[in-house]
Amino acid sequence: QSVLTQPPSASGTPGQRVTVSCSGSNSNIGSNPVNWYQQLPGTAPKLLIYTNDQRPSGVPDRFSGSKSGTSASLAISGLQSEDEADYYCAAWDDSLNGRVFGGGTQLTVL
Amino acid sequence: EVQVLESGGGLVQPGGSLRLSCAASGFTYSTYAMSWVRQAPGKGLEWVSAISGSGSSTYYADAVRGRFTISRDNSKNTLSLQMNSLRAEDTAVYYCAKDEDYDFWNGYWDHWGQGTQVTVSS
Repeated sequence: QSVLTQPPSASGTPGQRVTVSCSGSNSNIGSNPVNWYQQLPGTAPKLLIYTNDQRPSGVPDRFSGSKSGTSASLAISGLQSEDEADYYCAAWDDSLNGRVFGGGTQLTVL
Repeated sequence: EVQVLESGGGLVQPGGSLRLSCAASGFTYSTYAMSWVRQAPGKGLEWVSAISGSGSSTYYADAVRGRFTISRDNSKNTLSLQMNSLRAEDTAVYYCAKDEDYDFWNGYWDHWGQGTQVTVSS
């Protein structure tokens, strides 16, 4: 049981816009920034979005993040086949004194 | 180019010990916190432990506190995880990850290694 809650799966067709949600509580998302990681099949995770809505250099602007209250979202526009991956949200948790993850969302491009 | 490379994984019996290492290069190692994050087979990511840039502050997930010990050698740019009293549920790929700041809290990991497999089984 993960501290942050994500839907286990999401899907879309090429060119579509999809969103992945991440729900937490006041001790994590409600009071700390959210970061997103992308894990392509068989590879290590990679930083995708940091501090709620910032993209590292090299990440396409098709990827965007947002946060409101105790929830956060990752949006992917102009979906491409290479976006097929697992996506994880993460945040600091003040009660646990550590970083916590969502359970991950497996994105399928149909 | 930032690189982190894990080693030391393997097969160990329940109750046994294993020491993981991570070699870092391409950045000023002592000025960044480092972490271990694991992923059980077919499961999601789980943060395990972290250490500040100087090594003076350490952090542990409840699942491993008292059994695992994180340390770093800033003269050799290496990170270690000593794992004792291993259990079947510790079976996972263990990733070494570089933080974006000196201390661990409230930040994010900006570089990850490729991982090393740890299997706890009799």
